[in-house]
Amino acid sequence: QSVLTQPPSVSAAPGQRVTISCSGGSSNVGSSHVSWYHQVPGTAPRLLIYGNDKRPSGIPDRFSGSNSGTSATLVITGLQTGDEAVYYCGAWDVSLIGGVFGGGTRLTVL
Amino acid sequence: EVQLLESGGGLVQPGGSLRLSCAASGFTFITYAMSWVRQAPGRGLEWVSSINGPGGSTYSSDSVKGRFTISRDNSKNTLYLQMNFLRAEDTAVYYCAKQTEAYDSTWPWYFDLWGRGTLVTVSS
Repeated sequence: QSVLTQPPSVSAAPGQRVTISCSGGSSNVGSSHVSWYHQVPGTAPRLLIYGNDKRPSGIPDRFSGSNSGTSATLVITGLQTGDEAVYYCGAWDVSLIGGVFGGGTRLTVL
Repeated sequence: EVQLLESGGGLVQPGGSLRLSCAASGFTFITYAMSWVRQAPGRGLEWVSSINGPGGSTYSSDSVKGRFTISRDNSKNTLYLQMNFLRAEDTAVYYCAKQTEAYDSTWPWYFDLWGRGTLVTVSS
């Protein structure tokens, strides 16, 4: 059971918008900046969003993040088939004194 | 080229030991905190351990505390994970990951560079 809760899967058609939630608590999402990662099975994760809403260079603005207290959200617009992957959120937990990840959300582009 | 390259994985019996290495290149190693993150087969990401740039501050998850030790040799640009008393549930791909600050590995806590990973299998 992951400390951060994500939906196991989401799906949408190409060109559509999808949201992935990451629910935590006051000791992690509520106290720390959330980051998001994208992982194609068999490859290493890649950073998508850091500091709740910042994109590293090279990440298109189709990807955006937000944090509303104890819940963070990743939004992907203009879905492409290449976006199919598993998406993870992560944060530092000040109570556990350790890093925590969500269980991952598999995105299917129909 | 900026990259991380893990090595040292393999098959080990329960109760055994293994040391993983992560060779960093293309950036000033000492100026960044580093972490190990693992992923059991078919499962999600699990944070294992973090160390700050100078190497004087470390954190580890409860699941490995007392068994795993993270360390670094900044003269060799290499991160290590010494794993003792291995259990079947430690079977996973272990990733080395770079953070973005030097002195505090807890803030900000995110990873902008990952290695390809090395597989550790604990089985008799």
